[in-house]
Amino acid sequence: NAGVTQTPKFQVLKTGQSMTLQCAQDMNHEYMSWYRQDPGMGLRLIHYSVGAGITDQGEVPNGYNVSRSTTEDFPLRLLSAAPSQTSVYFCASRPSGRDTGELFFGEGSRLTVL
Amino acid sequence: SQKIEQNSEALNIQEGKTATLTCNYTNYSPAYLQWYRQDPGRGPVFLLLIRENEKEKRKERLKVTFDTTLKQSLFHITASQPADSATYLCALRGSQGNLIFGKGTKLSVKP
Repeated sequence: NAGVTQTPKFQVLKTGQSMTLQCAQDMNHEYMSWYRQDPGMGLRLIHYSVGAGITDQGEVPNGYNVSRSTTEDFPLRLLSAAPSQTSVYFCASRPSGRDTGELFFGEGSRLTVL
Repeated sequence: SQKIEQNSEALNIQEGKTATLTCNYTNYSPAYLQWYRQDPGRGPVFLLLIRENEKEKRKERLKVTFDTTLKQSLFHITASQPADSATYLCALRGSQGNLIFGKGTKLSVKP
């Protein structure tokens, strides 16, 4: 099993450009989520999904869109990139049926917006 | 508002000593608390979970305590090694069922 796979690992954008960060997991996990990690701020939840066709907002959803058409994939879209979205983005998943909530993380996507 | 605080941004200790990291929380009544390890340039990796009815949990050289009265968890690494150097994150289940993370403590173990 590959676990949680994120692409790209690095990306540089200009202000106003759009892009999609990809996340795929092969563990048949129902729950998937996106966090951003900034120095001094820790991990903050952007959006999450408890299953295909269901998404919801986390703590910092503005400027980001998500969709969940399959169990495996949970892409994060930046509609019009801003310098404040420069960050490291982590996708994470877990089996919803487990009450422990242990998250499996990808290796991260480092985004720079100029 | 709900808060999770890891008191030290950084902790430096000598190899062989016990490292103790603190996680405090306010306005939560968590059913459990989790600890993760994060190496530079990598995603966090789950280490331990402790439930509200458990006072202590051990895994090899790791020990976690959970005091729901003090609203605090302590994470101990005994006989620390340079390979234990990393950032350690505590996390609680928030009201929507998502994990809320502390900012982390960067541990450096010097030989």
